[in-house]
Amino acid sequence: EAGVAQSPRYKIIEKRQSVAFWCNPISGHATLYWYQQILGQGPKLLIQFQNNGVVDDSQLPKDRFSAERLKGVDSTLKIQPAKLEDSAVYLCASSSTGNYGYTFGSGTRLTVV
Amino acid sequence: GESVGLHLPTLSVQEGDNSIINCAYSNSASDYFIWYKQESGKGPQFIIDIRSNMDKRQGQRVTVLLNKTVKHLSLQIAATQPGDSAVYFCAELLGGGYNKLIFGAGTRLAVHP
Repeated sequence: EAGVAQSPRYKIIEKRQSVAFWCNPISGHATLYWYQQILGQGPKLLIQFQNNGVVDDSQLPKDRFSAERLKGVDSTLKIQPAKLEDSAVYLCASSSTGNYGYTFGSGTRLTVV
Repeated sequence: GESVGLHLPTLSVQEGDNSIINCAYSNSASDYFIWYKQESGKGPQFIIDIRSNMDKRQGQRVTVLLNKTVKHLSLQIAATQPGDSAVYFCAELLGGGYNKLIFGAGTRLAVHP
């Protein structure tokens, strides 16, 4: 089966600009996750979707981050405006209902200068 | 609280030796744990998992040990190979309806010929 697809692979923006990341999960996976991984740290969950509904966004900085999964398939994560501390790898993962096996994409490396 | 940490940030081993990577977790209610391997530029890759009703699980060249009394996990890699060089994360699955995976900080494993 195809893996979790993410784009772009790399992005460099200036602070206060906006940026968007895209994720296409594994076909049929109902649950989709966005993680932020700062260099030298473990991934931190930002938001979790079950189909097109948000089930956990407690760690999402809602003043600048937003995410959607309108049709319960693809998802986008947006940052507006970006700050220097947003520099990180943004990982998308998906899993099927009742299955604890997450599959991760390769991530988008964001550098804010 | 919700935290999973690691005892050693880096581990250097000789090719062919056995490696042991340790992890402490804090949430005694977690009932499922996963070890991930992350190579440079890639997303975390599932290695092995263990449920809280087990204390040991073996895979191909890998063994996970769980000590619930002291909230400790370890990953043992037998006959470590250069291809095992990566960052290893333990992750703790919090239940409560929608599963939430919490990662530790990671240990870098460097395998020397």
